[in-house]
Amino acid sequence: AQKITQTQPGMFVQEKEAVTLDCTYDTSDPSYGLFWYKQPSSGEMIFLIYQGSYDQQNATEGRYSLNFQKARKSANLVISASQLGDSAMYFCAMREEGGNNRLAFGKGNQVVVIP
Amino acid sequence: EADIYQTPRYLVIGTGKKITLECSQTMGHDKMYWYQQDPGMELHLIHYSYGVNSTEKGDLSSESTVSRIRTEHFPLTLESARPSHTSQYLCASSEPGGRAKNIQYFGAGTRLSVL
Repeated sequence: AQKITQTQPGMFVQEKEAVTLDCTYDTSDPSYGLFWYKQPSSGEMIFLIYQGSYDQQNATEGRYSLNFQKARKSANLVISASQLGDSAMYFCAMREEGGNNRLAFGKGNQVVVIP
Repeated sequence: EADIYQTPRYLVIGTGKKITLECSQTMGHDKMYWYQQDPGMELHLIHYSYGVNSTEKGDLSSESTVSRIRTEHFPLTLESARPSHTSQYLCASSEPGGRAKNIQYFGAGTRLSVL
């Protein structure tokens, strides 16, 4: 079964606008971590933000914030004030406590920022 | 910042050749990982290691092999490359376990094309 679901089609967003990328997950483990990575066309995977299942507050890192809704099992990424350099694929991933630190990745969301 | 390096960045090779993809990290991380990613798709774990002399197969079956003789070095070898091996290969490392974030930091990847 798919542990991480990212189903949005490719998105175009106007520069300086905010964009929300959806991610839902499936686990029965009470302890887990959620991650978002950015992959530009050059191919490297860049860590953006982390949310632990026991964290009381939503994670924020600069222009990135994570809208964590535990009961709904969703961990949406919000990018504020989009920049042209934000154009990339964005992957949501989950690590389960019982998973030996292995990450399960979603299929990704394509974002294109237009001027 | 992550200090994890992969070489070569790009490799075009003929069928039947033996190849080794290099991955090195200078962070002293115990855990290292190899992922395979087809264009526009999610990452699949093919190998991982918890430390020196430890190697395990990942979620996706792969004909490649790995070794971990030194903490900082985790090379991946294909004894006889085939066109079906054409893909991007990403190496990652992370800190030891426990309740820490255990963020996986990635190298820039190797794009392999087998003709």
